[in-house]
Amino acid sequence: NAGVMQNPRHLVRRRGQEARLRCSPMKGHSHVYWYRQLPEEGLKFMVYLQKENIIDESGMPKERFSAEFPKEGPSILRIQQVVRGDSAAYFCASSPQGDYEQYFGPGTRLTVT
Amino acid sequence: KQEVTQIPAALSVPEGENLVLNCSFTDSAIYNLQWFRQDPGKGLTSLLLIQSSQREQTSGRLNASLDKSSGRSTLYIAASQPGDSATYLCAVRGGADGLTFGKGTHLIIQP
Repeated sequence: NAGVMQNPRHLVRRRGQEARLRCSPMKGHSHVYWYRQLPEEGLKFMVYLQKENIIDESGMPKERFSAEFPKEGPSILRIQQVVRGDSAAYFCASSPQGDYEQYFGPGTRLTVT
Repeated sequence: KQEVTQIPAALSVPEGENLVLNCSFTDSAIYNLQWFRQDPGKGLTSLLLIQSSQREQTSGRLNASLDKSSGRSTLYIAASQPGDSATYLCAVRGGADGLTFGKGTHLIIQP
């Protein structure tokens, strides 16, 4: 059973461009979570999704950030008009149900130049 | 708002020692608590999950305890090895949102 997959593993964007991060949960998992790890800071929750639904987005910045988890295909975290402060490692996790153990992907390291 | 604190922030011990990592959280109304390890530049590996109704969990040389009423958890590592060197993260699940993480304990096991 493959683990949580994220791609790309590294992404470089210039200021003002868009970044799209993809996450494929483990087989059988319908709950996806996105977290951000800023340099020298801890991991912070961003958003929790089930198929076609956003359950909680209390950790998402109000502007430029959006997430989706369509019926088919991976979950997407989209960052519009990136700024240098968006440079971070973005991790996706999945679980079979809401309060079960979360399994993390290897992360996408976004660098904004 | 839930806050998670991990002590110590860094720890360096000789190989073979038993050690304890501490985690405390401010809101005792949690669903579960997870311990992870993170290697430099890598993702998180789940070590142990303790449900709120449980007191401890064991996996190999690792033992995690949970005292929900006092807002504390400990991760005990027996007979430490150089391969245990990593950052250890404690995280709690309190509601319909995601995990709240501590900043971690950076552990170095000296050969």
